[in-house]
Amino acid sequence: GAVVSQHPSRVICKSGTSVKIECRSLDFQATTMFWYRQFPKQSLMLMATSNEGSKATYEQGVEKDKFLINHASLTLSTLTVTSAHPEDSSFYICSAGAGARVGMDEQYFGPGTRLTVT
Amino acid sequence: AQSVTQLGSHVSVSEGALVLLRCNYSSSVPPYLFWYVQYPNQGLQLLLKYTTGATLVKGINGFEAEFKKSETSFHLTKPSAHMSDAAEYFCAVSDRGTGNQFYFGTGTSLTVIP
Repeated sequence: GAVVSQHPSRVICKSGTSVKIECRSLDFQATTMFWYRQFPKQSLMLMATSNEGSKATYEQGVEKDKFLINHASLTLSTLTVTSAHPEDSSFYICSAGAGARVGMDEQYFGPGTRLTVT
Repeated sequence: AQSVTQLGSHVSVSEGALVLLRCNYSSSVPPYLFWYVQYPNQGLQLLLKYTTGATLVKGINGFEAEFKKSETSFHLTKPSAHMSDAAEYFCAVSDRGTGNQFYFGTGTSLTVIP
């Protein structure tokens, strides 16, 4: 149980275009989802916390207008990178928490999405 | 806010040797503690976690970790390294009660020498 999927696994886009990344909890309801960014050889940087049905909470320094997060259902959250630029190229990882047990139980991580902006 | 320190960004061990990856946290209140492994271009896989109870926690792939409150540590060990253990390892903590946010260490890259 507790499987999280991400789609696509890899995406290459041209500078100036927008890209949407989906994060799905396949066998549980995730009231909270998290989006991380990971640069090569570095740790995960939390970008935002998304609760179902409400606006995402962004970490300091993360542009909310550039990284649009939608958590419309208990099993789906999306991250849209708008007007992507080469510096947005990175590995994006989502994770999901199983409701009230988030923090008590582990976060369940997706396999990640490699974004390359040319 | 919590902070997590992983001493040693790179650790090399010989195949069959002991693996020791260090993790220290900053909170005066013991948090929940986790170790994750990441293989290239993949997401994170949980190795083990400590929330309550026995302070020596056994995880997958022969790994274990011991929570030491007096040392605010949660070091990861494995008695005998395999080539397949070569990966990036992350220690993470989350606050009890408030839940939600995880704080990650900077990671330790483990190399296993044949």
